[in-house]
Amino acid sequence: ETGVTQTPRHLVMGMTNKKSLKCEQHLGHNAMYWYKQSAKKPLELMFVYNFKEQTENNSVPSRFSPECPNSSHLFLHLHTLQPEDSALYLCASSQASQNYGYTFGSGTRLTVV
Amino acid sequence: AQSVTQPDIHITVSEGASLELRCNYSYGATPYLFWYVQSPGQGLQLLLKYFSGDTLVQGIKGFEAEFKRSQSSFNLRKPSVHWSDAAEYFCAVGAEYGNKLVFGAGTILRVKS
Repeated sequence: ETGVTQTPRHLVMGMTNKKSLKCEQHLGHNAMYWYKQSAKKPLELMFVYNFKEQTENNSVPSRFSPECPNSSHLFLHLHTLQPEDSALYLCASSQASQNYGYTFGSGTRLTVV
Repeated sequence: AQSVTQPDIHITVSEGASLELRCNYSYGATPYLFWYVQSPGQGLQLLLKYFSGDTLVQGIKGFEAEFKRSQSSFNLRKPSVHWSDAAEYFCAVGAEYGNKLVFGAGTILRVKS
């Protein structure tokens, strides 16, 4: 039990589909993150939310749309994705103001067909 | 700006042999340092962290790391590697305050029997 739960674990979607990834944490953290991890590439930070406010967007295409309704939940809405978007999407959480490190979820393996 | 270098992309060790994974960081102030491990298809799990004090820190699964300020290094070690240690290992650096973590590109550990 990592404390950060991601659903679904696996997702296959067509390029015209719309789907959402969900992340939930019960650690009392107030910062949440989306990362993309592709084969043979470093971790890519996509979005950062501190106290429900987006504080970082690392030039992510608009076909990825994050949502953070509260400090415990984070979503990544997906639409009209490309095959190169296939990757492991990792959610993480942490304290916003003190650096004790991040707690990661197990990830969602996304395949775009 | 903070940065982390993990010079070895792949390392192969024999089961029962000792292990050292290298991590060099760049950061102007006192760094907060972390090692994470990722098994295939899983999220990152925190192995250990260094904030201050004793420069040799113990972590889970029998791992330890030593902070050497003069060398800007935070190498991960294990005296005797088990087959289950095969995974990818990430070093990360951050500041004391705030929540930004910079990750290295990772080192893939293979264990041969």
